[in-house]
Amino acid sequence: NAGVTQTPKFQVLKTGQSMTLQCAQDMNHEYMSWYRQDPGMGLRLIHYSVGAGITDQGEVPNGYNVSRSTTEDFPLRLLSAAPSQTSVYFCASTPAPTSGGYTFGSGTRLTVV
Amino acid sequence: GENVEQHPSTLSVQEGDSAVIKCTYSDSASNYFPWYKQELGKRPQLIIDIRSNVGEKKDQRIAVTLNKTAKHFSLHITETQPEDSAVYFCAASKPGNQFYFGTGTSLTVIP
Repeated sequence: NAGVTQTPKFQVLKTGQSMTLQCAQDMNHEYMSWYRQDPGMGLRLIHYSVGAGITDQGEVPNGYNVSRSTTEDFPLRLLSAAPSQTSVYFCASTPAPTSGGYTFGSGTRLTVV
Repeated sequence: GENVEQHPSTLSVQEGDSAVIKCTYSDSASNYFPWYKQELGKRPQLIIDIRSNVGEKKDQRIAVTLNKTAKHFSLHITETQPEDSAVYFCAASKPGNQFYFGTGTSLTVIP
């Protein structure tokens, strides 16, 4: 039982490049989310999904896309990287928001130069 | 939407003393309140949670209290140890909704 697996752990991008952050969970959780963590800002929700085929925007969705074709996978796409997207990204999953807390992935530290 | 405020942003205590972190929320429909601990360079991990039908919950040296009327909840750590040093986040959620996190409290336990 691996929990929530994120790849890569570290990434450096040039401004304008695109990339996909991968997230997979093996706990059959319906809810999955992407957060970014910046100093002094806590965890801010980018996008979330309540089940396969269903996604919605969070607080800071601009510049990011998501899809949820299976229960297990929830990739985050950066369309055209900008220095403001330099951050630590966490994927998280839960059976439902009030049935238990999130299980977080180990994070991806992204630097955009 | 929900707004969760967390105080203080930093907290230093002597080893063995107690630490208290407070959060307030705005949406009276929120009914689940987890707390997370994040050590440096690590992922946040759930340490304790409370639901709105309970006023207090304890787990060894940590406890959480909830005041629904005032819409605030608190984390209490007793007999603090150096390994308690971390950033702590509170959160609030309601059925069908996502978690809203506080901005975190950096706790330092001084040996």
